[in-house]
Amino acid sequence: DVKVTQSSRYLVKRTGEKVFLECVQDMDHENMFWYRQDPGLGLRLIYFSYDVKMKEKGDIPEGYSVSREKKERFSLILESASTNQTSMYLCASTGQETQYFGPGTRLLVL
Amino acid sequence: GDSVTQMEGPVTLSEEAFLTINCTYTATGYPSLFWYVQYPGEGLQLLLKATKADDKGSNKGFEATYRKETTSFHLEKGSVQVSDSAVYFCALTANQAGTALIFGKGTTLSVSS
Repeated sequence: DVKVTQSSRYLVKRTGEKVFLECVQDMDHENMFWYRQDPGLGLRLIYFSYDVKMKEKGDIPEGYSVSREKKERFSLILESASTNQTSMYLCASTGQETQYFGPGTRLLVL
Repeated sequence: GDSVTQMEGPVTLSEEAFLTINCTYTATGYPSLFWYVQYPGEGLQLLLKATKADDKGSNKGFEATYRKETTSFHLEKGSVQVSDSAVYFCALTANQAGTALIFGKGTTLSVSS
């Protein structure tokens, strides 16, 4: 079975902090994604990566950056956390035209 | 641009009732279509998919048929269980491996015994 893991299930940070969300997949997938999920808005794509050191902006990249130094790991970085970044963050990787999701990280920014 | 529209929730049903969650899409190409399910506190899981017109995806008693003529992919189940309570997302991709999915806003299903 494909496994996508995220470093934390719950995270509480303060405004202005730099936040790292880590995602690891074990299926040698080339493509990885970061989404945020908010009530009434569904899932929105933040960034994706189709290869090591490659990245593409999604629909809502402002306030975020990403890092892909190894194929299995894709990190989402909040450079200076703000309260409007309080959300559920979901990582996914793609294989055989199917996206596999991690369990999500629920981030609260105070 | 491509988009997915699914029925607003919440949907509240009694156990053993018939379920339909409507999903329609707009796409310029020939997308693959998906239904994902999210149980409370968890990430999304693939429920079923269809990759071309008239294909029927099925899993765990759920079914959906890819209807190109009506641009629809409605989710159905003949007899729901309490354990089916979850949020259901319809999604599409442009059928290129690695292309990000476009999701509907999700429909919350609540099944009572």
